[in-house]
Formats: sequence, C-alpha cells, structure tokens
Amino acid sequence: SQKIEQNSEALNIQEGKTATLTCNYTNYSPAYLQWYRQDPGRGPVFLLLIRENEKEKRKERLKVTFDTTLKQSLFHITASQPADSATYLCALERYSSASKIIFGSGTRLSIRP
Amino acid sequence: EADIYQTPRYLVIGTGKKITLECSQTMGHDKMYWYQQDPGMELHLIHYSYGVNSTEKGDLSSESTVSRIRTEHFPLTLESARPSHTSQYLCASSEIRTGYNEQFFGPGTRLTVL
Repeated sequence: SQKIEQNSEALNIQEGKTATLTCNYTNYSPAYLQWYRQDPGRGPVFLLLIRENEKEKRKERLKVTFDTTLKQSLFHITASQPADSATYLCALERYSSASKIIFGSGTRLSIRP
Repeated sequence: EADIYQTPRYLVIGTGKKITLECSQTMGHDKMYWYQQDPGMELHLIHYSYGVNSTEKGDLSSESTVSRIRTEHFPLTLESARPSHTSQYLCASSEIRTGYNEQFFGPGTRLTVL
C-alpha cells in the first residue's frame, strides 16, 4: 500500500532562514501532491498543490518541488517567521481514487525569533 | 461566509453512550469526509460521501456510521462509545475543481470516552 514519510523530528530554525520540509512516498507516483498547514487543535488548511508533470510551484514565500524519480517533494518557506510555526502535512492523490487523499503524519516546524 | 462547521468542539462522555458528531458546510460541496487523527499521527479516512444518499467506508475500519440526507450535512454516529474511540475527528469537504481535490476542513471534535 502507499506510504508517505515525513520527518517525525521537529524542525527548529531561526527566524529569517529558509525552512525545508521533506515528503517521501513509496510505490506509485501520485497525480497530485498537496501540502497543508495544521495548527494545534485545528483542522488542516490547504496551502499548495503540485501536479506530477510539474517540477516546481511557488506561492508568495512558499515553494514546492516534486521529483517523481526520487519520489520526493520538498516544501520551502523562505524568510521564515514565528507565525509560520505549525505542523505541515504532505498529502497525495491518485487518479484512480480521485476523491480520496492519503495524508502523512506531518512535520512540526518551530521558528524562533 | 462559506465555511465548514463541526459541533461540539470538545466532548467527554462515559462508556456505552450514543453520540453524534455534527458536520455542516455552506460551500455546496458534493464530497464530504470524516477523518480520525490521534496526536502527532496522520489523518485516517474513516468515511466519505460523494453526494446525497451516498456513503462509503474509508481506509481505516471504524465502528461509527454516517448519513448524508442533505448536501450540507454529514453527521457521524457512535452507537456505543468506548475508550478506544477517544480521538480527534475531523470533517472535510471538497469539490474537484480544475481536476484536483483541495479539501476544506472543519475545526474538529476532540472526543474523550471515559
């Protein structure tokens, strides 16, 4: 079955630096790979999506890359701020189950002032 | 304002009680989902619906049941709660736009069964 692996260790970085989070998956390549932000006690919020035929996608300070050979997506936050502190979830979707998404367990990011 | 709502936000009940977790969305989305999430763990899909009178079980086996009588409403029911049901329950909805499936989540219900 498909598995998603995200760093279980929390990532702590200095404000202003670039945070890079990793998402690795096994087995088949997804049609789409999504990134969500989740704050404690809240539901996830959609951030960005990248398609299998795209290498990179940007939105303001966020950048996502997708390498289907490595079966990996990287999520970057540039000029990080304490308000970026949250858990970031990677999720993937296949064409054949277009309404269902598989989520990773997330990486907790802390930005210190 | 278009949104997705869940009530209650927190629920503490005794073993054996019947409970219903409410979920409503005002976005007119056809697809709705229930996920279960334990602290620090991934979301597990337990139920989903493609529209009115359509419900399917998800990847994680659950003793709960769901119904979809109205587009905007997707309640989840546990007939007899047990401590093993203690978890966070997240409701979501989506509409496939431009071919992808962005999910909108409610705030969640944190259930504790004593």
